[in-house]
Amino acid sequence: GAGVSQSPSNKVTEKGKDVELRCDPISGHTALYWYRQSLGQGLEFLIYFQGNSAPDKSGLPSDRFSAERTGGSVSTLTIQRTQQEDSAVYLCASSRETGGGNTIYFGEGSWLTVV
Amino acid sequence: SQQGEEDPQALSIQEGENATMNCSYKTSINNLQWYRQNSGRGLVHLILIRSNEREKHSGRLRVTLDTSKKSSSLLITASRAADTASYFCATVYNNDMRFGAGTRLTVKP
Repeated sequence: GAGVSQSPSNKVTEKGKDVELRCDPISGHTALYWYRQSLGQGLEFLIYFQGNSAPDKSGLPSDRFSAERTGGSVSTLTIQRTQQEDSAVYLCASSRETGGGNTIYFGEGSWLTVV
Repeated sequence: SQQGEEDPQALSIQEGENATMNCSYKTSINNLQWYRQNSGRGLVHLILIRSNEREKHSGRLRVTLDTSKKSSSLLITASRAADTASYFCATVYNNDMRFGAGTRLTVKP
């Protein structure tokens, strides 16, 4: 696609429910990143994928968080038993190649509110 | 976890003035990138400087990198009200990309 696409753009959920956030990276981009940003704060690294594998899962805040990527394309971030502190914007980004020398493009984010 | 630390946290200037934001980091990097964010949503890539580069320009933006001090600076010259946004530095090592907390720039008309 033309850019990184995320859905839903906004989600309000009740505490304790599960949510799934989707990211469609730019076609051909092998690296995919998830970040979380609380209001007025910086970006907190969650996880990145190289192809379908995730070399570093250490950023996931708890075992309620999981992410997968299939077919080297779409990724889903799942939050189980949501808590109010999970409320944040979840940003996805992708880049073309490995090695860290390429521009990373961000989606517009999914704003999650847990009530 | 975050890697870079920007300072100042907030900066307020008059239109036409220059704005300088600094970023310090702790580990090795392949490159360092600066991003801009409006209204808490998607980030827009501004400029990338590789670890073997010392200075780079793009329009009104000038970025420097000092790997011995593990620091970078972003200079915006002749600022405009439309430059009001949050600016983040991001360090990249292989595919690991970490952001600082950002500098909130306000340019008053």
